[in-house]
Amino acid sequence: NAGVTQTPKFQVLKTGQSMTLQCAQDMNHEYMSWYRQDPGMGLRLIHYSVGAGITDQGEVPNGYNVSRSTTEDFPLRLLSAAPSQTSVYFCASSSSQADQPQHFGDGTRLSIL
Amino acid sequence: KQEVTQIPAALSVPEGENLVLNCSFTDSAIYNLQWFRQDPGKGLTSLLLIQSSQREQTSGRLNASLDKSSGRSTLYIAASQPGDSATYLCAVSTSGTYKYIFGTGTRLKVLA
Repeated sequence: NAGVTQTPKFQVLKTGQSMTLQCAQDMNHEYMSWYRQDPGMGLRLIHYSVGAGITDQGEVPNGYNVSRSTTEDFPLRLLSAAPSQTSVYFCASSSSQADQPQHFGDGTRLSIL
Repeated sequence: KQEVTQIPAALSVPEGENLVLNCSFTDSAIYNLQWFRQDPGKGLTSLLLIQSSQREQTSGRLNASLDKSSGRSTLYIAASQPGDSATYLCAVSTSGTYKYIFGTGTRLKVLA
């Protein structure tokens, strides 16, 4: 059982480039979320989805786009990379049941030069 | 706006000691609270989840309590081991299991 799979694990971009961080889950979870983790700031929610075709903004959505065309996949797009987007990005999934935890991927470490 | 605070930021203890990690939150209207473990360079692993209606949850040597009225949760680790060394994160949801506010974590080191 793979759980939540994120690709790539590492990426270096130049300012202004665009890219897509991939996230896939095989647990048939309704909910998926993207967080970024920065030193001293904890994890902050970027975007989330409560089902296929439904997405919404989290705490820090600027500069990022998401879509949810299938239950399994929830890609995160950086439109025009900026050095401030250097971070570790985590994707998480969960079911709608209140007693079920979030499952996290291993993260994508992204550096913007 | 919900804010989650974890103190201390770092903790170093000798092996075998019982210890308590603290988490406080500003809005008592929570949906649930989770404690996570994060190893260096890895993702987060959920340790315990406490629903709004519950007071505590236990798993092995771990016990988490929740006091909504005071806006506090504690994670108790019994008989600590070097393998418990990691960062422990507290996260609070105010609506559903998809939207959590995280504390900045407590970095624990258990010395052999």
